[in-house]
Amino acid sequence: DIQVTQSPSSVSASVGDRVTITCRAAQDISGHLAWYQRKPGKAPKLLIYSASRLQSGVPSRFSGSASATDFTLTISGLQPEDFATYFCQQAESFPLTFGGGTQVEIK
Amino acid sequence: QEELVESGGGVVQPGRSLRLSCAASGFTFSSYSMHWVRQAPGKGMEWVAVISFDGMNRYYADSVEGRFTISRDISKNILYLQMNSLRVEDTAEYHCAREGNSDESGYFTLWGQGSLVTVSS
Repeated sequence: DIQVTQSPSSVSASVGDRVTITCRAAQDISGHLAWYQRKPGKAPKLLIYSASRLQSGVPSRFSGSASATDFTLTISGLQPEDFATYFCQQAESFPLTFGGGTQVEIK
Repeated sequence: QEELVESGGGVVQPGRSLRLSCAASGFTFSSYSMHWVRQAPGKGMEWVAVISFDGMNRYYADSVEGRFTISRDISKNILYLQMNSLRVEDTAEYHCAREGNSDESGYFTLWGQGSLVTVSS
């Protein structure tokens, strides 16, 4: 199984801040990584796939990047509706595996 | 509007069975591979099972292999997860999820809100 390690587990930020979340894959996943957003009581939502491709309808303040086995989700200019939990997922091979999640909280 | 709605969760004793359903609407259900993903309390997401768009291929996580069965009814646009020999560690919120096609293959482009399964004596 490909282990994916996500950090930090939580981050406190203010509206307008830039927030960065990282996932590290235990082996090469050829950029096959997605980022999701989950709000309480709501279904998770795909934000980014293939490391850096923005899903249709997702605001451009969300971006993803990759460097070897390290992947980053950046929220540039945090908005009130962005306070949520974010998690990553590798799609290189089965079993599909996930990062542990990052809760973005209001400072 | 594309939507997935799970049902069938509840409290069940260890060793018993439960069947989850996931009703799909707003898209061509028969064109997509479908998955079950779960999240235990305080834990991250865990992939459970996948069924191909035509129902011909199914894969399972090692933790549920031989106990859980994924299936789909194309005529009713419903995805199922039959869970047998349930264990305490199967306690989780279970989500159905649609896999994307083409360049979105391997990613979950649509999720349901989840159905809570609690295994307890």
